Amino acid sequence: QKEVEQNSGPLSVPEGAIASLNCTYSDRGSQSFFWYRQYSGKSPELIMFIYSNGDKEDGRFTAQLNKASQYVSLLIRDSQPSDSATYLCAVTVYNFNKFYFGSGTKLNVKP
Amino acid sequence: NAGVTQTPKFQVLKTGQSMTLQCAQDMNHNSMYWYRQDPGMGLRLIYYSASEGTTDKGEVPNGYNVSRLNKREFSLRLESAAPSQTSVYFCASSVTSGPTDTQYFGPGTRLTVL
Repeated sequence: QKEVEQNSGPLSVPEGAIASLNCTYSDRGSQSFFWYRQYSGKSPELIMFIYSNGDKEDGRFTAQLNKASQYVSLLIRDSQPSDSATYLCAVTVYNFNKFYFGSGTKLNVKP
Repeated sequence: NAGVTQTPKFQVLKTGQSMTLQCAQDMNHNSMYWYRQDPGMGLRLIYYSASEGTTDKGEVPNGYNVSRLNKREFSLRLESAAPSQTSVYFCASSVTSGPTDTQYFGPGTRLTVL
């Protein structure tokens, strides 16, 4: 079983819609949760992180964490074509240096 | 301020050849990391260095060695390249290895082993 699971997609949403990306993790000892965006051929860049249960908002992005159900999600409001990318979920387990990435969900935002 | 830089950007090797991937950061970060990214596999940690003078194995260390040359530089060496090491390699750094420290990634090295 992988440490971090994501649906590979592609997830297609129309411009202006809400995109919902989900991630599940296997280790209940996981401490912090990160969402990265990666454009094709580029390196990952951090969108936001969350480590407490509940919601965390940053502009058009909202991260949601539910430790009891072991999932973390990312909502993108008012999706734009420029949001089209692969979104990687990452989790730290116990020692921060154990940093596990999911395989990513490809998002397509159609004009 | 260049952030995290990696050289080379592209490399083709024959099986059995050796090479060193270079990584440098100018952000005065203490921690540095090497990942590989394969299609459908996400990023996997190869080695990391929590601070200057220390290195530790990550999830997939076999076939690799690392050197933390100084605070700025962290190199990854393939002693005898194999086709299974064809991948995109990313170096990253963070201020420390704390649970909320952001990792900043370099542009990547695309390695093909024939």
